[in-house]
Amino acid sequence: SAVISQKPSRDICQRGTSLTIQCQVDSQVTMMFWYRQQPGQSLTLIATANQGSEATYESGFVIDKFPISRPNLTFSTLTVSNMSPEDSSIYLCSVVSGTARGKTQYFGPGTRLLVL
Amino acid sequence: AQSVTQPDIHITVSEGASLELRCNYSYGATPYLFWYVQSPGQGLQLLLKYFSGDTLVQGIKGFEAEFKRSQSSFNLRKPSVHWSDAAEYFCAVDPYSGNTPLVFGKGTRLSVIA
Repeated sequence: SAVISQKPSRDICQRGTSLTIQCQVDSQVTMMFWYRQQPGQSLTLIATANQGSEATYESGFVIDKFPISRPNLTFSTLTVSNMSPEDSSIYLCSVVSGTARGKTQYFGPGTRLLVL
Repeated sequence: AQSVTQPDIHITVSEGASLELRCNYSYGATPYLFWYVQSPGQGLQLLLKYFSGDTLVQGIKGFEAEFKRSQSSFNLRKPSVHWSDAAEYFCAVDPYSGNTPLVFGKGTRLSVIA
């Protein structure tokens, strides 16, 4: 398994500002994902962030709004830019870990963001 | 379209009663299958997973799930629910066996009453 930490755990921000969320993993992983979970909703994939390549964004998410860095195999950041109240969500970092027999996705505790 | 369906948005059970949460998927091949639990204010915790082999898999906290290929289902069960099981439960599918992100169902919220 993989142990994932995220910072900050929660924040309250003003509209128009930006917040950078950090994700730290206790082991080296190739595949890392960022998800958004809006209030009362399921998880929506924002992007895939593999080390050594540009992040791949899902439909509806763009790099200017959610820039991602992946400087090494244990760390990534997601920035929520020019925030609006609609960005109020839980943002979760996730990694894939496991053997060739079966790979499992593990999640961080999430960052709870409230935009006023 | 490929999807994961959890037909029950909210389920309420009495403490000590049995539980079954439903999950159906629509993928051509047999994908990897997962159940996660999210307690209030928490991240997602893996309950159990199915890759291949025995279709009845055991997980943590006394949960089990059964894969039924003919029904494209992966239902989660627990014989006796505890108040601490109250949470949101998500079924998830990895359609390409470990190389792509999971696809999640919409979740089922479990309430437990005394």
